[in-house]
Amino acid sequence: AQSVAQPEDQVNVAEGNPLTVKCTYSVSGNPYLFWYVQYPNRGLQFLLKYITGDNLVKGSYGFEAEFNKSQTSFHLKKPSALVSDSALYFCAVRDDRTPDTGRRALTFGSGTRLQVQP
Amino acid sequence: GAVVSQHPSWVICKSGTSVKIECRSLDFQATTMFWYRQFPKQSLMLMATSNEGSKATYEQGVEKDKFLINHASLTLSTLTVTSAHPEDSSFYICSARDPGLSNQPQHFGDGTRLSIL
Repeated sequence: AQSVAQPEDQVNVAEGNPLTVKCTYSVSGNPYLFWYVQYPNRGLQFLLKYITGDNLVKGSYGFEAEFNKSQTSFHLKKPSALVSDSALYFCAVRDDRTPDTGRRALTFGSGTRLQVQP
Repeated sequence: GAVVSQHPSWVICKSGTSVKIECRSLDFQATTMFWYRQFPKQSLMLMATSNEGSKATYEQGVEKDKFLINHASLTLSTLTVTSAHPEDSSFYICSARDPGLSNQPQHFGDGTRLSIL
């Protein structure tokens, strides 16, 4: 079984400050990890993914995430937050045990609401 | 890039009505699509996996007769909420991934807000 934990329901940060949204995971095989952002009444937008390779992954809108295998974490970061970054962020995982045929769904964390104050 | 379109965006209807939601992959063929349900301030819960040309796979606790899924073509899956009641009110989101490209992320529709009066 696979699972994702996002320990913070909400993260508050001032505009211009760095932000971190935490995520830890559990999978049987090697993890494929994803971050998505959701704006009100919208679907999820893909931000970045880790499949293999460099532990630091860069994604859309200046976001990055660091894969840490020993800590089973994949925290989302941004050096300087914008008010427009305020949204709901989801971490998701899929394991690599099955062939990549597009048939495996993602398991999502509970979500973290990011609030960036002007 | 890959795009998933979901329609309608909003539905408000009376109790007992059946509601159909469409999910289309616009520039790739999706043999598999996923249907999620999201309650306010909660995460996405997988309801079912829609398989083109075969029966959908439902998650535990999801009523097959309540949530009918049809994946009639490689670019279209539909979710029909039959005889909807207020407790079915929720945000429904579909997703798909291009199987022709390895290790690609899932792409999501914009969701359907269903409100049953």
